[in-house]
Amino acid sequence: AQSVTQLGSHVSVSEGALVLLRCNYSSSVPPYLFWYVQYPNQGLQLLLKYTSAATLVKGINGFEAEFKKSETSFHLTKPSAHMSDAAEYFCAVSSLDSNYQLIWGAGTKLIIKP
Amino acid sequence: EAQVTQNPRYLITVTGKKLTVTCSQNMNHEYMSWYRQDPGLGLRQIYYSMNVEVTDKGDVPEGYKVSRKEKRNFPLILESPSPNQTSLYFCASSLGAGSSYEQYFGPGTRLTVT
Repeated sequence: AQSVTQLGSHVSVSEGALVLLRCNYSSSVPPYLFWYVQYPNQGLQLLLKYTSAATLVKGINGFEAEFKKSETSFHLTKPSAHMSDAAEYFCAVSSLDSNYQLIWGAGTKLIIKP
Repeated sequence: EAQVTQNPRYLITVTGKKLTVTCSQNMNHEYMSWYRQDPGLGLRQIYYSMNVEVTDKGDVPEGYKVSRKEKRNFPLILESPSPNQTSLYFCASSLGAGSSYEQYFGPGTRLTVT
């Protein structure tokens, strides 16, 4: 069965520092991978997705993620954190294993310190 | 404006009193889905629909019903709500399931069952 693990329910970084949010997945077949962001009191919106093309994926708001098959990882990064990045971030996977339904990680709340 | 709308946004009810949360999308999407979000658990899928009159159970369908009589609407019905259904509910839609279709989320419905 597919699963997604996000390391760290809360991650705190200083404004201007590197953001690194970790996501590991399990899938017996090639997956599609997603990062969604949820701002306070809002629904989720897509940040970026991996669809078996380039392994380094660029998304909105300066975020990017790299698909590493050997490590079964899809970590999200941003070189310089901004106060407006404070939100909860969710990693999700879908594949034939899950009948293409999204399987979600538990989420990581990103806290930005001034 | 392309959007997914949910009503109500907030609801407090008592155990056993039937309720319906409506969901509507104006993007002519075939696929719609209901999730519940609980702290530390991420999003869990309740039901999904691949098209009109086609619905299927997700990971946590117990205590919920859905229907898809029209393409744009996908209501979630709680016939006899219980306190363990207190949660934040999201409706989502996409062009289709499978592959890498982006899901578009509604703003959420916060339900409290006392």
